[in-house]
Amino acid sequence: DTGVSQDPRHKITKRGQNVTFRCDPISEHNRLYWYRQTLGQGPEFLTYFQNEAQLEKSRLLSDRFSAERPKGSFSTLEIQRTEQGDSAMYLCASSLPPRLAGVRNEQFFGPGTRLTVL
Amino acid sequence: QKEVEQNSGPLSVPEGAIASLNCTYSDRVSQSFFWYRQYSGKSPELIMSIYSNGDKEDGRFTAQLNKASQYVSLLIRDSQPSDSATYLCAGRYSSASKIIFGSGTRLSIRP
Repeated sequence: DTGVSQDPRHKITKRGQNVTFRCDPISEHNRLYWYRQTLGQGPEFLTYFQNEAQLEKSRLLSDRFSAERPKGSFSTLEIQRTEQGDSAMYLCASSLPPRLAGVRNEQFFGPGTRLTVL
Repeated sequence: QKEVEQNSGPLSVPEGAIASLNCTYSDRVSQSFFWYRQYSGKSPELIMSIYSNGDKEDGRFTAQLNKASQYVSLLIRDSQPSDSATYLCAGRYSSASKIIFGSGTRLSIRP
């Protein structure tokens, strides 16, 4: 399967615990994005990487959230001291390099990680 | 004004009819626009992208872009029950790589 993969698919945790999610993008894609989606809303942008560089972070991303992409391949998103308001679907997407994507910048999503904070 | 706006629906269309979904966007969104389909509990799936004014057709789907009026639409011909889903409109944020999503329109195709 050559699509975007995410792990785990579901995570239930208690308030105050730390959680980490992983995303593996499509192999030839060098851009990787994290989004959060709550019920009845569209995905909200959190952050994105081009190779290993984190180029943009949303103001929505509090200091409890951190994302890394150390080798420019897979990425991790960590949430520290989880709160009930963090319950959501966390989506990862990837896209081609700018020189190939041009204005298209089509992003392809993984299956998501559903987080429930009790 | 939200940067990308959609009517939340639900939009109910009889099987075999044309479903028309609409989206408007603000000045901060430009260049590229996308329609994603999302089934309940699943992640968004890209079905159409459009960059130039006019129509773009792909099978039963037609995307329409009007930059002067700042709207994007998606037409689904010969609607099938399997088309019942939430349709998300998205646009690329000016001079940036991220895309901004609307809140989605729920479409229901009734047999």
